This record gives sequence, structure tokens and C-alpha cells, in this order.
Amino acid sequence: QLQLQESGPGLVKPSETLSLTCTVSGGSISSSSYYWGWIRQPPGKGLEWIGTIYYSGNIYYNPSLKSRVTISMDTSKNQFSLKLSSVTAADTAVYYCARQDVRAWGNFDYWGQGTLVTVSS
Amino acid sequence: DFVMTQTPLSLSVTPGQPASISCKSSQSLLYSDGKTYLYWYLQKPGQPPQLLIHEVSNRFSGVPDRFSGSGSGTDFTLKISRVEAEDVGVYYCMQSIQLPFTFGPGTKVDVK
Repeated sequence: QLQLQESGPGLVKPSETLSLTCTVSGGSISSSSYYWGWIRQPPGKGLEWIGTIYYSGNIYYNPSLKSRVTISMDTSKNQFSLKLSSVTAADTAVYYCARQDVRAWGNFDYWGQGTLVTVSS
Repeated sequence: DFVMTQTPLSLSVTPGQPASISCKSSQSLLYSDGKTYLYWYLQKPGQPPQLLIHEVSNRFSGVPDRFSGSGSGTDFTLKISRVEAEDVGVYYCMQSIQLPFTFGPGTKVDVK
């Protein structure tokens, strides 16, 4: 059974960089059948796609965040990561990692449980 | 960006009764390959979203057949034929025809 688990600091200071890792078990992030994505949800609000990475190195970012976001993957650890720089309180959210089907990449079919990141001094 | 809107934003339903949620896109979600890239997700309380419907009307694996999706172009509908207590949560539509993926604001469904 595929599992995704987000990890990283739950508290980040304003202007610093948020760093999260998604560890995948029960499947390989090197599979050509899937993309791997990040989505976030501010408390009490809706969902925002952040970006997606493919094993080949193709990376897609939300233009609204592109100048501050970096997504990468470490196939040796079966992990992919998110870095968001120059954070503000508006970046406080639950951050989810998810798998996307390459045949229809709107299929976010497996999700992590999410991790709350609070931006505060 | 493609703007997704949903109506209603909240819905209270008696168990066993039907429910319907509308989703509209600012532009057509019909792609040149003939597919329409509209999805429905359900986020149950305290859980991550889960995929219900892909490409307008295809139920994802394990989704009960009381859930159905329909529509075309810019107008879409999710129907629950007989609402059950476990169906409570927030329903989101989402488009993937063009980056960035965008979600609707969500429709909160509760059971009376």
C-alpha cells in the first residue's frame, strides 16, 4: 500500500525558508507512471496547487509562487522536497504531498496526511 | 488562470436524500484530445482530500456508485443519489487542462 508522509519544521520565522520532505513508501518515485505534487491549504480555506515533479527532472510550478518555490527529488531516499523562501504569515497552511497519475495528472490519487506549517516570529 | 466556482457553498442534506453540487469553469475544460479535465475531490473532516471523480464522470477506484459526475465544457455537476452520514465534508472541483491546477472554493456538505 502506497504511503506518503510529510515531514519538516512546524514553525518557521517570517522571511526564512520553509523546507518540507515527502517520504514515499510502498512505491518508487522513479516510476515513469507518476508525478509527485505539493498542495497547500491555509487554515479554514481551500486548496492551492504549489508544484509537481517528475522523475525525469521535469518540474512545474504555480506561477503565483514560482519565484519562491523549489521542488526536488532524491531517488536514493525515495523522497521529494519542497522549499519555499521568504515566507510570510500568508504561507501558514497545511502542506500536503500527493501522487499524480501520468495518464491524467489531475488524478491526485494518494495523499499524505498533511503537515501544518505556521509562519510566526 | 482558470477560475473555478461552485454552488452552493454549503448544503445540509437529510440522509437518504439526493444532493447536487454545481461547478463552473471560466473557460472550457475540453482539450484537443477529446477529454475534459474536470475532477471532484472530497475532504472529510481532519483528512486530506480524496479523489472521487476524474475526467467529469469516471468514479475513482472504490468510490460508491451513489456518486456520479456529469457536464461538459464549462458546466459540471456532482450528484449524490442518496446521501449517507459518511459523505460529510467539503467537496472541491478542480481543473487540470492548464497549469496552474485550480480548485473551486469548496462546497461544505453536512447531514441533518
